[in-house]
Amino acid sequence: NAGVTQTPKFQVLKTGQSMTLQCAQDMNHNSMYWYRQDPGMGLRLIYYSASEGTTDKGEVPNGYNVSRLNKREFSLRLESAAPSQTSVYFCASSESHGNTIYFGEGSWLTVV
Amino acid sequence: GENVEQHPSTLSVQEGDSAVIKCTYSDSASNYFPWYKQELGKGPQLIIDIRSNVGEKKDQRIAVTLNKTAKHFSLHITETQPEDSAVYFCAASRYRRNTGKLIFGQGTTLQVKP
Repeated sequence: NAGVTQTPKFQVLKTGQSMTLQCAQDMNHNSMYWYRQDPGMGLRLIYYSASEGTTDKGEVPNGYNVSRLNKREFSLRLESAAPSQTSVYFCASSESHGNTIYFGEGSWLTVV
Repeated sequence: GENVEQHPSTLSVQEGDSAVIKCTYSDSASNYFPWYKQELGKGPQLIIDIRSNVGEKKDQRIAVTLNKTAKHFSLHITETQPEDSAVYFCAASRYRRNTGKLIFGQGTTLQVKP
């Protein structure tokens, strides 16, 4: 039982490049989330998926897109990376919307 | 918009002392208040949570108190140990409305000196 697994763990991108962060959970959770963490700002919600087939914007969705591929997987895509998107990204899941949220180990992204 | 303020940003205590971290929230409809612990290089892990129909909750050396009137809640760690050193985050959400939008505080870096 791995919990929430996200890849890659580290990535360096050039401005304008695109990439996708992958996330999978093996807890049969309905809801999944993507957060970003920046120094002094805590964790901010980018997008979430309350259930398979639905996605909604969080606090800071600009510059990102998401796909809930199936119940297990929720990916985050940066279409044209910008230095402001340098951050640590966390995928998370919960049994249902509003229940305890479990986080992955994080993906460190640097945009140069 | 909704906001959660967390203080202090850093806290240093001697092993065995108590540590208190405080959070205030702006949305009076918030009714779910979890606390997360984040160790270096890892994702946040839930350590305790409280709902608005409860004023205090305790789990061994950790306790959380909630004052809905004043819109603040606090984390209390007693008999601190070096392994308590980490970043702690408070959060708030409208649990019943099922928005999933946990709003996090800015984090407190706790250092427990042996």
